[in-house]
Amino acid sequence: AQSVTQPDIHITVSEGASLELRCNYSYGATPYLFWYVQSPGQGLQLLLKYFSGDTLVQGIKGFEAEFKRSQSSFNLRKPSVHWSDAAEYFCAVHGQNFVFGPGTRLSVLP
Amino acid sequence: EPEVTQTPSHQVTQMGQEVILRCVPISNHLYFYWYRQILGQKVEFLVSFYNNEISEKSEIFDDQFSVERPDGSNFTLKIRSTKLEDSAMYFCASSIRDGIDTQYFGPGTRLTVL
Repeated sequence: AQSVTQPDIHITVSEGASLELRCNYSYGATPYLFWYVQSPGQGLQLLLKYFSGDTLVQGIKGFEAEFKRSQSSFNLRKPSVHWSDAAEYFCAVHGQNFVFGPGTRLSVLP
Repeated sequence: EPEVTQTPSHQVTQMGQEVILRCVPISNHLYFYWYRQILGQKVEFLVSFYNNEISEKSEIFDDQFSVERPDGSNFTLKIRSTKLEDSAMYFCASSIRDGIDTQYFGPGTRLTVL
């Protein structure tokens, strides 16, 4: 069975600092990987996805993620966080079906 | 940019009542989905729908749930007899191709069962 873990429930960073959100998955083959963001009271917005090819993928809003097969990870990064990035971030995996991680809440200090 | 829309944004109902949540997927999409997010918990897959039939469903999607595409634009989720534990945010999503393609999510309907 496939699963997704996001080890950090809540992360707080200062505006302008770098960010890395962790995601690990469990699946027998290489899954399709996604990062979604959910602002308060809003729906889910796709940030980026990995299907194949270059393991470093670029997304919207200055985000990027790197797929590391050896670590079964797909961590999300941003070099300089903006206050508007405060939101809930979900990693998702599509293997047999679509499975979301529990989410990481990002707070940004001014 | 086309987007998935959902109505209503908030639905309050009494336990035991039937509710219908409505979604209008992006017009050229062929695959449709419903997800649920209980407050403070992760997003959970409920069901996927293609070619007027359910293609996949989770164990959450029991007999009290049903989905329908009554016309060329709407996609509905019906809960026959709501329970307190059905209170959640319900998200509709759609994609052009099968589930590995990007799923575009609607803003959600918050269902409150009293």
